[in-house]
Amino acid sequence: GESVGLHLPTLSVQEGDNSIINCAYSNSASDYFIWYKQESGKGPQFIIDIRSNMDKRQGQRVTVLLNKTVKHLSLQIAATQPGDSAVYFCAENGSGGYQKVTFGTGTKLQVIP
Amino acid sequence: NAGVMQNPRHLVRRRGQEARLRCSPMKGHSHVYWYRQLPEEGLKFMVYLQKENIIDESGMPKERFSAEFPKEGPSILRIQQVVRGDSAAYFCASSHGRSSNTGELFFGEGSRLTVL
Repeated sequence: GESVGLHLPTLSVQEGDNSIINCAYSNSASDYFIWYKQESGKGPQFIIDIRSNMDKRQGQRVTVLLNKTVKHLSLQIAATQPGDSAVYFCAENGSGGYQKVTFGTGTKLQVIP
Repeated sequence: NAGVMQNPRHLVRRRGQEARLRCSPMKGHSHVYWYRQLPEEGLKFMVYLQKENIIDESGMPKERFSAEFPKEGPSILRIQQVVRGDSAAYFCASSHGRSSNTGELFFGEGSRLTVL
């Protein structure tokens, strides 16, 4: 079965507010956890990743938090913009020595202007 | 633009026909991955290839599906005798290789197969 899953299928956020997208995982052996963004009709786009030995990593307007105790991953988007509207997938990369990335089912983020 | 190129973007086939999807990886990438995405679902891993080698095909259906990545030319995902359940978006991704296994894959725009 799936080793990565999401709590909520849809999230609506007011423009300018912060967004938090959550994800649960079950594979403790994963080396990396990753967030991808997929806009309508397009391929997934890498946003940020975090190694399994870290608990926080920041990028441009995004922060990923990893809680290994409860096997939980979250993506925080600061000052959400209309261009952030998309489906967000959490994913994990196993320890097989290559990029076998396993995707969760996705959360749709809707930004309300 | 040296991104991952997939074609065709849209393909319509009747049941029983063959579908061939092509993927050219990013320049400098020698590793190719194929994923399938059903509507409103996540991406499911199908196969991982390097030049002239299939490394992991654990996600590929045993029948009717095949993939190759020849020494020259694009990677090909081939679906024989298509059925309606094959209707999906098929995404190709590429990466540098084993030295950078962080999970960062570069995806193409996908090929959307519709089986009538």
